[in-house]
Amino acid sequence: KAGVTQTPRYLIKTRGQQVTLSCSPISGHRSVSWYQQTPGQGLQFLFEYFSETQRNKGNFPGRFSGRQFSNSRSEMNVSTLELGDSALYLCASSPRTGDYEQYFGPGTRLTVT
Amino acid sequence: KNEVEQSPQNLTAQEGEFITINCSYSVGISALHWLQQHPGGGIVSLFMLSSGKKKHGRLIATINIQEKHSSLHITASHPRDSAVYICAGDYNTDKLIFGTGTRLQVFP
Repeated sequence: KAGVTQTPRYLIKTRGQQVTLSCSPISGHRSVSWYQQTPGQGLQFLFEYFSETQRNKGNFPGRFSGRQFSNSRSEMNVSTLELGDSALYLCASSPRTGDYEQYFGPGTRLTVT
Repeated sequence: KNEVEQSPQNLTAQEGEFITINCSYSVGISALHWLQQHPGGGIVSLFMLSSGKKKHGRLIATINIQEKHSSLHITASHPRDSAVYICAGDYNTDKLIFGTGTRLQVFP
């Protein structure tokens, strides 16, 4: 089975722009979670999607949003980018929501200048 | 408040040594995850456990529910084990709360 894929792998954006990141889960996995990793804050949960519904959201401003499609692929969007949004964005998939092992993608490294 | 704390923050070892990384968490956890992150960012899930002990190769993870404590052990450590090890608690809200990570360096 192919692993979790994320596109793009690297991205440079300017402050004020918006960005969309994509995540394709392992085939058959229906839950996708998104995480942000920064040197200062470490890993933090952004949101989780299951069956096209957002099940939970972390403590991030409304500029961070996401969605999940019927094929379980997920996108996250960040509008009005700030310098502090520079981070590694990771998605992880699992078969279902709940206590299941998560399989992580390689991440998208976003740099905001 | 749901919290996960790890120790030590940094760990150096000689090849062959037995290594222990500790993780403590607040009440209410439904599962505890151990993750490994190599330079470059990729994260691999090592273990998910809610009780007892799990073993995979040279890696062993234990959890003590009463003490709210988990440990990750590496036997016969090798330089390729050098990575950041992260524990994360699942508080039954379908989101993980992460520890700050332990940076392990194993020297030949």
